[in-house]
Amino acid sequence: KAGVTQTPRYLIKTRGQQVTLSCSPISGHRSVSWYQQTPGQGLQFLFEYFSETQRNKGNFPGRFSGRQFSNSRSEMNVSTLELGDSALYLCASSLAGASVETQYFGPGTRLLVL
Amino acid sequence: AQSVTQPDIHITVSEGASLELRCNYSYGATPYLFWYVQSPGQGLQLLLKYFSGDTLVQGIKGFEAEFKRSQSSFNLRKPSVHWSDAAEYFCAVGASGGYQKVTFGIGTKLQVIP
Repeated sequence: KAGVTQTPRYLIKTRGQQVTLSCSPISGHRSVSWYQQTPGQGLQFLFEYFSETQRNKGNFPGRFSGRQFSNSRSEMNVSTLELGDSALYLCASSLAGASVETQYFGPGTRLLVL
Repeated sequence: AQSVTQPDIHITVSEGASLELRCNYSYGATPYLFWYVQSPGQGLQLLLKYFSGDTLVQGIKGFEAEFKRSQSSFNLRKPSVHWSDAAEYFCAVGASGGYQKVTFGIGTKLQVIP
């Protein structure tokens, strides 16, 4: 079974631009979660989607948004990029999104904002 | 809301020595607890998890962890460390009965010296 894939793997943007990241979950998984990872902050939860609906949201500004498609693929968008948005963005999938389930992580998209 | 503390940001051990990584959590009920490992340039991989039953949990790669409710701890152990164990380790807590909003610790970076 193919694992979680994320595209692109690397991105360089400038302040003020917007960016869209993509995540394809493991086949059969319907829950997708997004995390921001930065040195010193660890993983910060962004949001979780299940059946095209956002079920949980972390404490991030409205510039961070996401969506999920009917095939469970998910995208996250960051508008009006700031230097502090430079981070590794990780996507994780699980079967139904219950807290007890194992999350399977993709390799991440490394975003650098100049 | 749940929280996780990993008091050691960086640990160095000699190959063949024993290892213990500390994790303390805060949560009102019985939590779901996880340890994940992240190798350089990769996503996170589950080592083990606890959600009920035996408080000593065995995981992959020879790791184990013990849930101690009285101490709110879930420390990760390995009797003999191999050079390939060098990575970053994350403890995480999930709310029992809820959906995916797992809170991760800041991570402990393990260095293994020959």
